[in-house]
Amino acid sequence: AAGVIQSPRHLIKEKRETATLKCYPIPRHDTVYWYQQGPGQDPQFLISFYEKMQSDKGSIPDRFSAQQFSDYHSELNMSSLELGDSALYFCASSLNFLATDTQYFGPGTRLTVL
Amino acid sequence: AQSVAQPEDQVNVAEGNPLTVKCTYSVSGNPYLFWYVQYPNRGLQFLLKYITGDNLVKGSYGFEAEFNKSQTSFHLKKPSALVSDSALYFCAVSTGGATNKLIFGTGTLLAVQP
Repeated sequence: AAGVIQSPRHLIKEKRETATLKCYPIPRHDTVYWYQQGPGQDPQFLISFYEKMQSDKGSIPDRFSAQQFSDYHSELNMSSLELGDSALYFCASSLNFLATDTQYFGPGTRLTVL
Repeated sequence: AQSVAQPEDQVNVAEGNPLTVKCTYSVSGNPYLFWYVQYPNRGLQFLLKYITGDNLVKGSYGFEAEFNKSQTSFHLKKPSALVSDSALYFCAVSTGGATNKLIFGTGTLLAVQP
């Protein structure tokens, strides 16, 4: 079965650089979520999109922005990177925007900021 | 506010013995509860969820979870542990309403000894 695809899988950046993370949801899933998982921590919600509209925003820095495109893929843009942004970034998708829907996670993008 | 708690950072069990990973929740409204497993350097894999109905939920890889409303618990169980079950387990609750983000517990590391 098709899964959530994230690219790149690994990314190394310098401080103050920018990074773009991409997420391709499972086909026919119209809802995308982004989570950040710091070392030894649980995943923290960043932002979500339903039918290409932002549906909710969590503890996402103003330096970060995201969007969902017409083909439902999503991109997380991160600017002025800081050392503390080093983390595993997960994208998840679900069939609908329902609390009962299962969120299926991608393999994650490991971002290292030097 | 919705939250889940995993009181044990680590659970150790011998292969072949039953295992339990504990989770308690605090929600306003109907609880929608999920269990995910994370292997090292991998994404989160969905195991099972409770939406409504039977209190005993069966999931992937022989795992099951028991929903207990009076104790506000949703413990993950397996009758016979395998070494390959060793991983990090997260309990999560879906917030529902206008936002369906998942709120995760702090995770429990399951170590199954041969």
